[in-house]
Amino acid sequence: KAGVTQTPRYLIKTRGQQVTLSCSPISGHRSVSWYQQTPGQGLQFLFEYFSETQRNKGNFPGRFSGRQFSNSRSEMNVSTLELGDSALYLCASSTSGATDTQYFGPGTRLTVL
Amino acid sequence: AQTVTQSQPEMSVQEAETVTLSCTYDTSENNYYLFWYKQPPSRQMILVIRQEAYKQQNATENRFSVNFQKAAKSFSLKISDSQLGDTAMYFCAFMKQGAGNMLTFGGGTRLMVKP
Repeated sequence: KAGVTQTPRYLIKTRGQQVTLSCSPISGHRSVSWYQQTPGQGLQFLFEYFSETQRNKGNFPGRFSGRQFSNSRSEMNVSTLELGDSALYLCASSTSGATDTQYFGPGTRLTVL
Repeated sequence: AQTVTQSQPEMSVQEAETVTLSCTYDTSENNYYLFWYKQPPSRQMILVIRQEAYKQQNATENRFSVNFQKAAKSFSLKISDSQLGDTAMYFCAFMKQGAGNMLTFGGGTRLMVKP
């Protein structure tokens, strides 16, 4: 079975722009979660989508949004980029249960200049 | 809210020896799951081991085992027969049962295995 895939792997943007990151979960997985990893704040939960609905949301500003499609693929969007948004964005998928092991993708490295 | 603390920012171990990574957590929940994830230099987060809080038996996966002390809210990872490929960041993580798939991570421990 193919693992979680994320595209693009690397991205460079400038302040004020917006960006969309994509995540394709493991086949059969219906839950997709997003995390931000930075040297200063560590790993922080952004949000989780299950069956096209946001099931959980972390403590991030409204500039961070996401969605999930009927095939379970998910996108996250960051608008009005700030320098502090530079991070590794990790996507994780799990089957469907309310509590389930998450399997991570390789991440998207976003650099904001 | 839950918090996860890893008190050892960096550790090193000689190849073939045993090392233990510490993790403590704080929660008022009774039902939850605990995980150890490994993140090598490639940055791919890999599941090492999972423990259900309702299970008294400590989880084991080949060379990896945990010491789960629920009352003490402690969840340490023991790596036996350390290998060079074990060099990585190790993250302890907490997930509340029944609340969706949302992990709370510790700050990580950087483990270096020396030849």
